[in-house]
Amino acid sequence: GAGVSQSPSNKVTEKGKDVELRCDPISGHTALYWYRQSLGQGLEFLIYFQGNSAPDKSGLPSDRFSAERTGGSVSTLTIQRTQQEDSAVYLCASSLLKDTGELFFGEGSRLTVL
Amino acid sequence: SQQGEEDPQALSIQEGENATMNCSYKTSINNLQWYRQNSGRGLVHLILIRSNEREKHSGRLRVTLDTSKKSSSLLITASRAADTASYFCATSRRVGGGADGLTFGKGTHLIIQP
Repeated sequence: GAGVSQSPSNKVTEKGKDVELRCDPISGHTALYWYRQSLGQGLEFLIYFQGNSAPDKSGLPSDRFSAERTGGSVSTLTIQRTQQEDSAVYLCASSLLKDTGELFFGEGSRLTVL
Repeated sequence: SQQGEEDPQALSIQEGENATMNCSYKTSINNLQWYRQNSGRGLVHLILIRSNEREKHSGRLRVTLDTSKKSSSLLITASRAADTASYFCATSRRVGGGADGLTFGKGTHLIIQP
């Protein structure tokens, strides 16, 4: 597609369950980011992928969070044993590796943990 | 941690008036970007200003950057109801992205009263 695609757009789950969020970046974009946005807040950096380099996981809040990017394209963010504080919108963005660093965002996946 | 801080947190003006939002940051930057987020949507890139630039225009948008004061402002002229959204500044400290590649503030929520 023409833009960054994320799925599901909404996910409601019970505390303790695992969830997977998917991001399909713009074709040709080598950089991919995951951010988390809690209600009314700014964006919290989670993880960054760049080509075949090891991902920058410095923003992941706990070891319940993990992400992978297969074939340099689609990425999956997995949250294990979800907690209520994980409720947020998870935003994916991609970019070309240029000095501008302009990001193209998906519409986000809204996660609600009951 | 968040590098940029927007001010004010919320702004309500009449349609046709100009809206000014400010962003302050703490460390040296490569460039500064402004993004818009409509309610429930992803972020959309508006404009980028490099550290060696002082002012930039794009349509009804005007961005200034004062690196000595570590601050930027976004001016929207002749506001329209469709400009109602949250506006975020993001600072890029490093060429090529990465964990500190683009750090977002908490945003200014702009409401345009018809």
